[in-house]
Amino acid sequence: DQQVKQNSPSLSVQEGRISILNCDYTNSMFDYFLWYKKYPAEGPTFLISISSIKDKNEDGRFTVFLNKSAKHLSLHIVPSQPGDSAVYFCAANDRSAGNMLTFGGGTRLMVKP
Amino acid sequence: EAQVTQNPRYLITVTGKKLTVTCSQNMNHEYMSWYRQDPGLGLRQIYYSMNVEVTDKGDVPEGYKVSRKEKRNFPLILESPSPNQTSLYFCASSRDRQVGGYTFGSGTRLTVV
Repeated sequence: DQQVKQNSPSLSVQEGRISILNCDYTNSMFDYFLWYKKYPAEGPTFLISISSIKDKNEDGRFTVFLNKSAKHLSLHIVPSQPGDSAVYFCAANDRSAGNMLTFGGGTRLMVKP
Repeated sequence: EAQVTQNPRYLITVTGKKLTVTCSQNMNHEYMSWYRQDPGLGLRQIYYSMNVEVTDKGDVPEGYKVSRKEKRNFPLILESPSPNQTSLYFCASSRDRQVGGYTFGSGTRLTVV
């Protein structure tokens, strides 16, 4: 059973509006959560992370929120730009398993001009 | 330029014909890993290596082999490929398996017919 799930395979947003990508997890041992961004024909690149001891981390237009009680995290992109169109993977780090990363299935974001 | 290089980028092969996908990194990273990406399943780890001559199974190792004779190289070997190994493969490296410190290659799209 998947320990990290992204239930929305795709999301379409108008340029300038907010994009919200969601991720749910089941393993309480996860201590860090990360978002990776992937363009076609390229490998994933690290975008932003959050420690399990925090509930928010912000980096420019990107903010990640963590709700530990609900085992849920979300990535907010404000304002969304056409260049943000990509597949976004949520990943969870398990330090007890030697920093093993477990990835979600990905969400394809399309930002329309 | 710091990078992870995979070859080939695209490969079509027939069932049972042995193949090797090469992976090389120029960052002197100890940790290297192979993932496969399938629709809806995200990236799943096949094998990883903590250092030279040290390899271990990931989540989906069946049908794959790896070797780590040199620090920079981590080839993925399919001794007898089958159609269910048709997938997009990514190699990644990291120094000490840092959280968020993964650098991914550009991917190898493999089709087994």
